[in-house]
Amino acid sequence: EAQVTQNPRYLITVTGKKLTVTCSQNMNHEYMSWYRQDPGLGLRQIYYSMNVEATDKGDVPEGYKVSRKEKRNFPLILESPSPNQTSLYFCASGQGRHQPQHFGDGTRLSIL
Amino acid sequence: GENVEQHPSTLSVQEGDSAVIKCTYSDSASNYFPWYKQELGKGPQLIIDIRSNVGEKKDQRIAVTLNKTAKHFSLHITETQPEDSAVYFCAASKGSTLGRLYFGRGTQLTVWP
Repeated sequence: EAQVTQNPRYLITVTGKKLTVTCSQNMNHEYMSWYRQDPGLGLRQIYYSMNVEATDKGDVPEGYKVSRKEKRNFPLILESPSPNQTSLYFCASGQGRHQPQHFGDGTRLSIL
Repeated sequence: GENVEQHPSTLSVQEGDSAVIKCTYSDSASNYFPWYKQELGKGPQLIIDIRSNVGEKKDQRIAVTLNKTAKHFSLHITETQPEDSAVYFCAASKGSTLGRLYFGRGTQLTVWP
């Protein structure tokens, strides 16, 4: 089954404790992206990757890091999480520019 | 960058009625406009998309129209059903900024039986 898998689905943690949210896709997609969703703000793009070793900033990259060492994986790293990063996070993948994106089911992060 | 505005933020209709959600965009270079449906507890799922060389696209009960001159596009759902209840997002992107996708803030559609 074609899917985008995010882990963990839920996480409660404390300020300053480094965390990683993993994202994996099994569709051999070149393009992957991370979004955060906040009430009333819709989806905002954090980072995206057009291919392995090619990443670029979206609208709200501050406080986040990403890496793309393999085609299927695109982890999101919060080096020093802060409460304003409490949000619902989505990973997505697609075949490329102007192609439909397939979203994971989300990761709800709460940072106290 | 691009600014996508979406209206209304909430929409309630009776089963069988039509629903229309409208979006405007600011950058005339935008040329790809997808619509996503998000059900509770799930990630967004593409329901229809349109490219700037087309004015209208239809898929069963769902249609999207694009007016490039006015820089707006709309989602039309006919014969609505309770299972159409969800949050709908419009988005826009352009070829010159590969990989960037700008979303509207979403419309909560409720279809009453």
